[in-house]
Amino acid sequence: AQKITQTQPGMFVQEKEAVTLDCTYDTSDPSYGLFWYKQPSSGEMIFLIYQGSYDQQNATEGRYSLNFQKARKSANLVISASQLGDSAMYFCAMRELTGANNLFFGTGTRLTVIP
Amino acid sequence: SQTIHQWPATLVQPVGSPLSLECTVEGTSNPNLYWYRQAAGRGLQLLFYSVGIGQISSEVPQNLSASRPQDRQFILSSKKLLLSDSGFYLCAWSRRLNTEAFFGQGTRLTVV
Repeated sequence: AQKITQTQPGMFVQEKEAVTLDCTYDTSDPSYGLFWYKQPSSGEMIFLIYQGSYDQQNATEGRYSLNFQKARKSANLVISASQLGDSAMYFCAMRELTGANNLFFGTGTRLTVIP
Repeated sequence: SQTIHQWPATLVQPVGSPLSLECTVEGTSNPNLYWYRQAAGRGLQLLFYSVGIGQISSEVPQNLSASRPQDRQFILSSKKLLLSDSGFYLCAWSRRLNTEAFFGQGTRLTVV
């Protein structure tokens, strides 16, 4: 079974609008971490935000926030006030405590910001 | 601050030739180190990870090997490249096993 599922191959958003990128995960480990990465056309993977499974509050980092719904096993990324530079691939990832050496990645969502 | 260097950025190699990709980390000690491969339009697949000098774990069987001769140096190698080894290779490090990983710039390998 897929550990991380990103169902949106591509998304479009108008500049200055907010956009939500979906991510669901599958684990039986009670302790895990969820991550979002941005990959621009240059290929580098840029860490954006982290959510721990025991965190009570949703993580926020500037214009990025993570909508963590533990019961639904979802960890959607919300980007507010989109900018042209946000156009990139976005990957959701999870690390389980028992298999903590591996970050399981989703297949990614390509976000295009329209001017 | 910590930085990670990975080279070369691009590489074109003939089938059957050897491979050596190098990754070094600065500004931290005893990092956990990783090699990932990304096929075109796909997510990342973990190839190797290392928690210390000389300690290498392989996640998938393949034509590649990894070594960690120094604390902050991680090398990905192959004796004979296959066409299927083409892809985008990313080195990464993390402080502990359950924290975020920071990635290098990546190496785009094309085997011809």
